[in-house]
Amino acid sequence: DTAVSQTPKYLVTQMGNDKSIKCEQNLGHDTMYWYKQDSKKFLKIMFSYNNKELIINETVPNRFSPKSPDKAHLNLHINSLELGDSAVYFCASSQGRGGNEQFFGPGTRLTVL
Amino acid sequence: SQKIEQNSEALNIQEGKTATLTCNYTNYSPAYLQWYRQDPGRGPVFLLLIRENEKEKRKERLKVTFDTTLKQSLFHITASQPADSATYLCALGPGQNFVFGPGTRLSVLP
Repeated sequence: DTAVSQTPKYLVTQMGNDKSIKCEQNLGHDTMYWYKQDSKKFLKIMFSYNNKELIINETVPNRFSPKSPDKAHLNLHINSLELGDSAVYFCASSQGRGGNEQFFGPGTRLTVL
Repeated sequence: SQKIEQNSEALNIQEGKTATLTCNYTNYSPAYLQWYRQDPGRGPVFLLLIRENEKEKRKERLKVTFDTTLKQSLFHITASQPADSATYLCALGPGQNFVFGPGTRLSVLP
């Protein structure tokens, strides 16, 4: 069983389009995250949700909107896609706060043309 | 501003030797530090956690040290194997405001 899954794995789209990436975890964790890894491989946190509530929102454009329908799901919707949004997006989950290990999904490679 | 550096972008060592990776930070007082392994095309995988009041942690062939005075963590892989080749990331945080380092790409040569 996959612990943290993301769909789609690859996403190729035109500038200006709106797209969504879905994430699900079956670990029973109460905290989920979205990260962006750019072409230079820097991994940066974008959002964090704890028990469906937003607790971290780094400096991310308003075009990015996370949605957590329940504790097991955290989706990422991106409006008006730009070239600079091209990256690999990782979803992760952990149990509680205070540095518990994070389990990462396989990533979604987004390419904006 | 917070800054995290890992000793080098790439490190090559011979099989059987000990690999030592460094994570340095400035303008930050982390409560804990974690090390992750990332293989190409995959998400990071957790390896070890060490807290600010701990000096050293071990897990099989892995050892991590944490020196809050030097603001540095060392990550050692003893008896390295080609299968250890990957990118290793350190991550620091209080709570869940994680900050990842840029990573070191380790290649273990047979």
